[in-house]
Amino acid sequence: AQTVTQSQPEMSVQEAETVTLSCTYDTSESDYYLFWYKQPPSRQMILVIRQEAYKQQNATENRFSVNFQKAAKSFSLKISDSQLGDAAMYFCAYIGLDSNYQLIWGAGTKLIIKP
Amino acid sequence: EADIYQTPRYLVIGTGKKITLECSQTMGHDKMYWYQQDPGMELHLIHYSYGVNSTEKGDLSSESTVSRIRTEHFPLTLESARPSHTSQYLCASSVLRDRGYTFGSGTRLTVV
Repeated sequence: AQTVTQSQPEMSVQEAETVTLSCTYDTSESDYYLFWYKQPPSRQMILVIRQEAYKQQNATENRFSVNFQKAAKSFSLKISDSQLGDAAMYFCAYIGLDSNYQLIWGAGTKLIIKP
Repeated sequence: EADIYQTPRYLVIGTGKKITLECSQTMGHDKMYWYQQDPGMELHLIHYSYGVNSTEKGDLSSESTVSRIRTEHFPLTLESARPSHTSQYLCASSVLRDRGYTFGSGTRLTVV
């Protein structure tokens, strides 16, 4: 069975600096998708960035980028120029062809931004 | 802008009451999901549906029930609320694996 692990329950970063959130996963599939979701306090869960496993190029969305290492089964999220609005829970998720359309979720990382 | 709507946003209710949490989406997604999440904690899948008249229980055992009579509507019902049901309930929908899920704003339920 596939699993997703986020080993950092909580991270903090100074405003305007860069932070990297870790995510590793375990799968025997070769074709799958990976996602990072953001859940601000008392607000809606939103998709931050997605990565297709067959694409070697790392996905980027403005200040958010990923470091996708397929062989190492690692999918970290880098947030550049951190802003106060980035404070949230961040969840890493996986979906593969054998996942029955169900996302496999990590436990989440709470990101604190220090002003 | 959210295309999936959950009501109510907050609900405080007494033990033993029957409640229905509403979830509707306007995107025509065939797949819908209910998650239970305590604040700042991980998500637990409690129900899912891959289409009309199709519902399944998720990984976390729940005393709630769901129905899917229309594609856009996926309500969750608790016949007799208990304090142990106090939590946040998130509804989500999807259509293709590579697009992930779209989430509603959630319902924060408190049973007193």
